[in-house]
Amino acid sequence: GAGVSQTPSNKVTEKGKYVELRCDPISGHTALYWYRQSLGQGPEFLIYFQGTGAADDSGLPNDRFFAVRPEGSVSTLKIQRTERGDSAVYLCASALGGSQETQYFGPGTRLLVL
Amino acid sequence: AQSVAQPEDQVNVAEGNPLTVKCTYSVSGNPYLFWYVQYPNRGLQFLLKYITGDNLVKGSYGFEAEFNKSQTSFHLKKPSALVSDSALYFCAVRARTGANNLFFGTGTRLTVIP
Repeated sequence: GAGVSQTPSNKVTEKGKYVELRCDPISGHTALYWYRQSLGQGPEFLIYFQGTGAADDSGLPNDRFFAVRPEGSVSTLKIQRTERGDSAVYLCASALGGSQETQYFGPGTRLLVL
Repeated sequence: AQSVAQPEDQVNVAEGNPLTVKCTYSVSGNPYLFWYVQYPNRGLQFLLKYITGDNLVKGSYGFEAEFNKSQTSFHLKKPSALVSDSALYFCAVRARTGANNLFFGTGTRLTVIP
């Protein structure tokens, strides 16, 4: 079956601009996660959705970052007033929902802020 | 606090030889442990996980890992390395209670030499 998909695969923007990154999880997966991976690092947690609600947003670095999942499926990560330090690969993962369930990752969106 | 250490940034092994990629973790209580592999310009691909039961876990592509509670380790192993195993490997941990997100190590680059 189809895996997690993310669009766009690459995004180049200018400092100060607004960007939206989309994640389409595996069908039936109620849990959805956003992570950020900087060069040479492992993924770092941003936010976790269970259904439509953000169950844990403790990883969001500041209030410029926001994410939604209005219908409990597709999620959008929104970054306002982008900064050069936001440049990274943004990874989305989905899971069946239990804490022991495997998280399956999408290919990521590579964001470059000039 | 949860954390993962992958002490080797780079592991080189000859094709056909056994390989080991090391991982140690810190977590409150008993852990869930995961290994993922990342190929260039690709997302993370799940290899295997330890949830409970047998300490030796077998996963995809002939990989296995052994959970050692006393040493808080979860080393990844394969009896005979293939050139196609060359990639970036990430160990991740999650506590059984509390936060659902994964905590990742910084990754180990495995190079299998023909």
